[in-house]
Amino acid sequence: EDQVTQSPEALRLQEGESSSLNCSYTVSGLRGLFWYRQDPGKGPEFLFTLYSAGEEKEKERLKATLTKKESFLHITAPKPEDSATYLCAINFGNEKLTFGTGTRLTIIP
Amino acid sequence: DAGVIQSPRHEVTEMGQEVTLRCKPISGHDYLFWYRQTMMRGLELLIYFNNNVPIDDSGMPEDRFSAKMPNASFSTLKIQPSEPRDSAVYFCASSFMAGVGDEQFFGPGTRLTVL
Repeated sequence: EDQVTQSPEALRLQEGESSSLNCSYTVSGLRGLFWYRQDPGKGPEFLFTLYSAGEEKEKERLKATLTKKESFLHITAPKPEDSATYLCAINFGNEKLTFGTGTRLTIIP
Repeated sequence: DAGVIQSPRHEVTEMGQEVTLRCKPISGHDYLFWYRQTMMRGLELLIYFNNNVPIDDSGMPEDRFSAKMPNASFSTLKIQPSEPRDSAVYFCASSFMAGVGDEQFFGPGTRLTVL
């Protein structure tokens, strides 16, 4: 069965302390990998789509990368407003997305 | 565009009652998805529609759940009868396409509590 695993479950960083979140998957035909951000009490908000190994995308302090088995969401010099849950989702070759359980990120001022 | 609209935002009901959740997708989007989010299981797809037609309802937990999309601008998710284990946040999402190449836009969700 195709699966998506995110780690760590929770991460606390000091403001300005860079780190990375991980999304790994068992694959039988990856068609696309999506990163979403979710704030408390809100729906997930789209960040990035990656299609092939080696691809990278950036947005402000966030950079997403993709290999054949995993994706990383790198956060550089984070600010308190970057605190949120970050969700990874995989399209395994149909019209559906399979979501991971997310990483809850807290940035301490 | 106002984005995906869901109502109500919060619903508290008693076990055995019927619950109806409503969704208005973004105009022009051909796909509509219903998800359920819990702490234990994360975000799970329940059912999705393409051009108002249900395509895959394999995520619907049991016959107590049903969904309809009578037109391109409205969908409902109904639970009858409701049970305490149905307590969760229910999201509706829409997209222009589906799968590779097109992101889904999520509504704010309906927080359902069944007592």
